[in-house]
Amino acid sequence: EDKVVQSPLSLVVHEGDTVTLNCSYEVTNFRSLLWYKQEKKAPTFLFMLTSSGIEKKSGRLSSILDKKELFSILNITATQTGDSAIYLCACISGSRLTFGEGTQLTVNP
Amino acid sequence: EPEVTQTPSHQVTQMGQEVILRCVPISNHLYFYWYRQILGQKVEFLVSFYNNEISEKSEIFDDQFSVERPDGSNFTLKIRSTKLEDSAMYFCASRKLSQGADTQYFGPGTRLTVL
Repeated sequence: EDKVVQSPLSLVVHEGDTVTLNCSYEVTNFRSLLWYKQEKKAPTFLFMLTSSGIEKKSGRLSSILDKKELFSILNITATQTGDSAIYLCACISGSRLTFGEGTQLTVNP
Repeated sequence: EPEVTQTPSHQVTQMGQEVILRCVPISNHLYFYWYRQILGQKVEFLVSFYNNEISEKSEIFDDQFSVERPDGSNFTLKIRSTKLEDSAMYFCASRKLSQGADTQYFGPGTRLTVL
């Protein structure tokens, strides 16, 4: 059975801190790993990672994939209160996404 | 920017009733999906749909569930006889048909409450 595990499950930081969210996976026929941000309802897309070692960057967020060790990290620098959300990691195998439990990030002013 | 839309945002139904959840995928997308998220749990895959047929389904997607693309824009999920445990947020997603375009874009969800 495919498995995606995220850590930590919950994280509380102060504005300006840097955070690293972790995602490990055991997925048959792995194709890609995606990161989503879930605030109120719908997961909104952040990054898709297919190749090892190539960092994807968008503003203060960046992510990288290690296909040998089967994990990915999502970094957020200079956190803001608007970064407070659940961050979801998901892997594509076949046509389905298998999601992790998510990391609940709270950024306090 | 194009978005996936879903209606209704919240549906309350009695156990045993049929419900239909509706989705309008992004217009040039050809793969469609349903996921659900029970409160406090992971997002779970239900079914994928391409070229007017189911391409993959999970063990959750039993005979009580069906999907349909009744016209060129809508994609529906029907639950024939709802159970209490069907209470969840149901997300529709879509993606393009092109190599490497694995990103699935999610709608805002329909919260289904079965009483």
